[in-house]
Amino acid sequence: NAGVTQTPKFRILKIGQSMTLQCTQDMNHNYMYWYRQDPGMGLKLIYYSVGAGITDKGEVPNGYNVSRSTTEDFPLRLELAAPSQTSVYFCASSYPTGGPYNEQFFGPGTRLTVL
Amino acid sequence: GQQLNQSPQSMFIQEGEDVSMNCTSSSIFNTWLWYKQDPGEGPVLLIALYKAGELTSNGRLTAQFGITRKDSFLNISASIPSDVGIYFCAVGFQGGSEKLVFGKGMKLTVNP
Repeated sequence: NAGVTQTPKFRILKIGQSMTLQCTQDMNHNYMYWYRQDPGMGLKLIYYSVGAGITDKGEVPNGYNVSRSTTEDFPLRLELAAPSQTSVYFCASSYPTGGPYNEQFFGPGTRLTVL
Repeated sequence: GQQLNQSPQSMFIQEGEDVSMNCTSSSIFNTWLWYKQDPGEGPVLLIALYKAGELTSNGRLTAQFGITRKDSFLNISASIPSDVGIYFCAVGFQGGSEKLVFGKGMKLTVNP
């Protein structure tokens, strides 16, 4: 299994441009997540999905959109890029175990700079 | 929003030394987790704690879930150069097992 894969690894955008960050997992996990990581700030949840066709907002959803048409894919869309969206973006996935916690598996990240 | 206070923010140690870090919250949580992030990679789960007072080991790592359910610590014994990275604590959102809140991380540097 490749686990969680993300593309691209690096991207530079101009203010106002749009782009889609791709995320794919091959572990048949129901749950998928998008986080952003700013320097010294830990990870903040942007959006998450508990299954195909179902998405919900996290802590910092403004300026982003997501869709979940398949179990495997969970793309993150930036419509009008702003410098405040310069960050490292991580996708993660997990499966429901019926227990108190679902271990999240992270992708390698996409480093985005908006100039 | 819910916040975790993770300390220290960074540490510089010599190879072979032990390391201790902790995480506190003003709220009670049922699950505490510790992740490690290697440079240029995504976080990887080290230890998960589900029960107040629980002490769990994973090789040279030991973590404890505080009795009050508002804190946790992680110890690394006999550090080695590959321990370098950022260590995050995380807790499960109350009422749902699918979401996490992360601390700001502790950056560890190990001098050989």
